[in-house]
Amino acid sequence: DGGITQSPKYLFRKEGQNVTLSCEQNLNHDAMYWYRQDPGQGLRLIYYSHIVNDFQKGDIAEGYSVSREKKESFPLTVTSAQKNPTAFYLCASSIGGSNQPQHFGDGTRLSIL
Amino acid sequence: QKEVEQDPGPLSVPEGAIVSLNCTYSNSAFQYFMWYRQYSRKGPELLMYTYSSGNKEDGRFTAQVDKSSKYISLFIRDSQPSDSATYLCAMSGGNNRLAFGKGNQVVVIP
Repeated sequence: DGGITQSPKYLFRKEGQNVTLSCEQNLNHDAMYWYRQDPGQGLRLIYYSHIVNDFQKGDIAEGYSVSREKKESFPLTVTSAQKNPTAFYLCASSIGGSNQPQHFGDGTRLSIL
Repeated sequence: QKEVEQDPGPLSVPEGAIVSLNCTYSNSAFQYFMWYRQYSRKGPELLMYTYSSGNKEDGRFTAQVDKSSKYISLFIRDSQPSDSATYLCAMSGGNNRLAFGKGNQVVVIP
């Protein structure tokens, strides 16, 4: 089945540690996105990419990094510089173009030990 | 003023009732409108995608867009307990990004 796979489902980070969240899609979509979801705050855009080897910062990029070496993959690294990383992280993809709907994975919940 | 306003609820209705959800927006550049359903601990799932003003139906769901009032609605007829979820509106104006509402929690009581 076509879709977006996020792993792991749950992740724990120690203080000062970098962690990487995986996002893979087999929809042949050009565009991919990372969001952070906190209670009462809705979805906030971290990074997005519309083409391989290119990506742009969203509204809350500080403390995060991404890469887009393959069309299918858009991993997100939460660095130790992100002081409040506990959240639900969602990856999405779309065919491309400004007005296309985005399709989401089932998220990764990151917590601090 | 936020770009997209959505009342977070929660909204509780008895099974079989009509659920009415809405969002208002301030950016007149928004031309494409979406509704997503999100179950607890899951990602949002696309329900409806509309462009023009007017109504769009899909089964028990109707999406309504009024661009002159900058107001969109989602109606769920014959609501079921399985409709209990958070519903998010989203919209796009051509800047390669979607603007989301904060989500409205709906509880359908059997």
